[in-house]
Amino acid sequence: SQTIHQWPATLVQPVGSPLSLECTVEGTSNPNLYWYRQAAGRGLQLLFYSVGIGQISSEVPQNLSASRPQDRQFILSSKKLLLSDSGFYLCAWKGLAGRYNEQFFGPGTRLTVL
Amino acid sequence: GDSVTQMEGPVTLSEEAFLTINCTYTATGYPSLFWYVQYPGEGLQLLLKATKADDKGSNKGFEATYRKETTSFHLEKGSVQVSDSAVYFCALSEGGNDMRFGAGTRLTVKP
Repeated sequence: SQTIHQWPATLVQPVGSPLSLECTVEGTSNPNLYWYRQAAGRGLQLLFYSVGIGQISSEVPQNLSASRPQDRQFILSSKKLLLSDSGFYLCAWKGLAGRYNEQFFGPGTRLTVL
Repeated sequence: GDSVTQMEGPVTLSEEAFLTINCTYTATGYPSLFWYVQYPGEGLQLLLKATKADDKGSNKGFEATYRKETTSFHLEKGSVQVSDSAVYFCALSEGGNDMRFGAGTRLTVKP
């Protein structure tokens, strides 16, 4: 069966510090991968998605970036965090079999920027 | 573009009450529709889905029917429990690379 992992689970970082969040998927090959952010009390904002190794599409301009160095690994990064980067970051995957497959979400990372 | 609109919360109900969370959508084609649930501090879990008109998705006592004529996918449960307290998201996908989510509806069930 497929599983998706995110780490760390929680993170407290000072403004201006770098960020690296990692997401890995097991039990599937060549998935679409997604990064979402959920601000407190808000809905989901799609940040990045990837359809393959090295292929990243950005949905919103910001100081975050994403990379996909391996088929089942998706990394969210920043060189300098802003206060507004605080939120709950969710990684998700979607299989290619079937046209309307749902997305499956990881447990999330709670980021607090102070 | 595609979009999803769901009723604003928060919704507060007593245990065993009937639940309805409204969801309507706009889409250019024939999307699949989903309901996700998010318990406190966790990621989203798929609750149910429907892939074509008149399909009914159901899971854990929750139901939603894909109504093409009203472009709706309302979530219902006949008798809610305290453990149903969570945030519920309606979503659609037309098979592209993304999925459109509603803003989420927070449900609190009191004993």
